[in-house]
Amino acid sequence: EADIYQTPRYLVIGTGKKITLECSQTMGHDKMYWYQQDPGMELHLIHYSYGVNSTEKGDLSSESTVSRIRTEHFPLTLESARPSHTSQYLCASSESTGSTGELFFGEGSRLTVL
Amino acid sequence: GESVGLHLPTLSVQEGDNSIINCAYSNSASDYFIWYKQESGKGPQFIIDIRSNMDKRQGQRVTVLLNKTVKHLSLQIAATQPGDSAVYFCAEIPPNDYKLSFGAGTTVTVRA
Repeated sequence: EADIYQTPRYLVIGTGKKITLECSQTMGHDKMYWYQQDPGMELHLIHYSYGVNSTEKGDLSSESTVSRIRTEHFPLTLESARPSHTSQYLCASSESTGSTGELFFGEGSRLTVL
Repeated sequence: GESVGLHLPTLSVQEGDNSIINCAYSNSASDYFIWYKQESGKGPQFIIDIRSNMDKRQGQRVTVLLNKTVKHLSLQIAATQPGDSAVYFCAEIPPNDYKLSFGAGTTVTVRA
């Protein structure tokens, strides 16, 4: 079982609130990712990180921001949430080297903005 | 067994039958492919992977087939069980990259 954790699992908030979704992994992985997924739909990469102090935007444009101050921690922040941000956010990590590109996923954070 | 020739968003399978899930990938130069299983309310979990220098790879009750000529990937599940009910995604890694690009999922429902 993967050692990657997301909190909160579920969050319901009002429009305009600032929220931070937490993601931590204990595997020492350098690469970390945030995907956005609507119910039953495919995953879209919104942010990724090669390592500490590295962050890049993914394929899907997102108003969220991320930071990578520590290897194990990759939080995602929305400064002012809107109903269009309602979705599931999945955090993942992978090894920096190795023969596989396997991603280990957290359980996800399901965000509902009213 | 039950199969689809092209990707379909849903697949209904009788328990005990074999399942075949199809996926078309986009980049002919991609050299690594993974199948993920996502159960309701959970994050995706790795099932099996295959590199572009292989045509077939077998795991426990699962087999992945790669046809590079038509950019097609399939996942075969033998003796499908109720616990196999989930959404299945294929993913590819283009060359000189490490980020996975996910395809549209297939929702598999196992009938008792």
